[in-house]
Amino acid sequence: NAGVTQTPKFQVLKTGQSMTLQCAQDMNHNSMYWYRQDPGMGLRLIYYSASEGTTDKGEVPNGYNVSRLNKREFSLRLESAAPSQTSVYFCASVEPGGGYTFGSGTRLTVV
Amino acid sequence: DQQVKQNSPSLSVQEGRISILNCDYTNSMFDYFLWYKKYPAEGPTFLISISSIKDKNEDGRFTVFLNKSAKHLSLHIVPSQPGDSAVYFCAASARTSGSRLTFGEGTQLTVNP
Repeated sequence: NAGVTQTPKFQVLKTGQSMTLQCAQDMNHNSMYWYRQDPGMGLRLIYYSASEGTTDKGEVPNGYNVSRLNKREFSLRLESAAPSQTSVYFCASVEPGGGYTFGSGTRLTVV
Repeated sequence: DQQVKQNSPSLSVQEGRISILNCDYTNSMFDYFLWYKKYPAEGPTFLISISSIKDKNEDGRFTVFLNKSAKHLSLHIVPSQPGDSAVYFCAASARTSGSRLTFGEGTQLTVNP
């Protein structure tokens, strides 16, 4: 089925550990986004990629890096996880008209 | 600086009644507004949208109203059904920002049978 696939679905990290959240879309979209969702704060944009080979910071980029590996894949990396990065992370693929398709999310806990 | 605000964290209504979810924005550059619905353990899904050139858009049981002078929009669900129980996010974009969306905090709607 066409859509956005995020892996893993759940992850527990210790403070200081690193990990990469994976996102892949099969809709041939140019634009992909990473958001985090926290209680009472909605979805906040971390990084986005308007096209293959380009990435830009969103409103909360500190502590994160991204890679647009190819048109299909956009990964989010935490180099040294902190408890403040405990959140649910959503990847979205965006069609030219602006319609968003979200993945099902990665629930990350940093202890 | 929360540019899109949903002041009600939760709303509870009876099945068959109207649900009204509200959203306010501060950025006058916003010209396109959307509502997303989110069930637990799933990503948000698109529900309905409205362009700033309109003041109303209807799709079945869902209607979005836009009051540009008040920088306010609302989502009406009539009649409400138990399956509508979810978190609803208001979102806005500006033509100058491409497809980038700014989301509100979300409102948890519970429809009681």
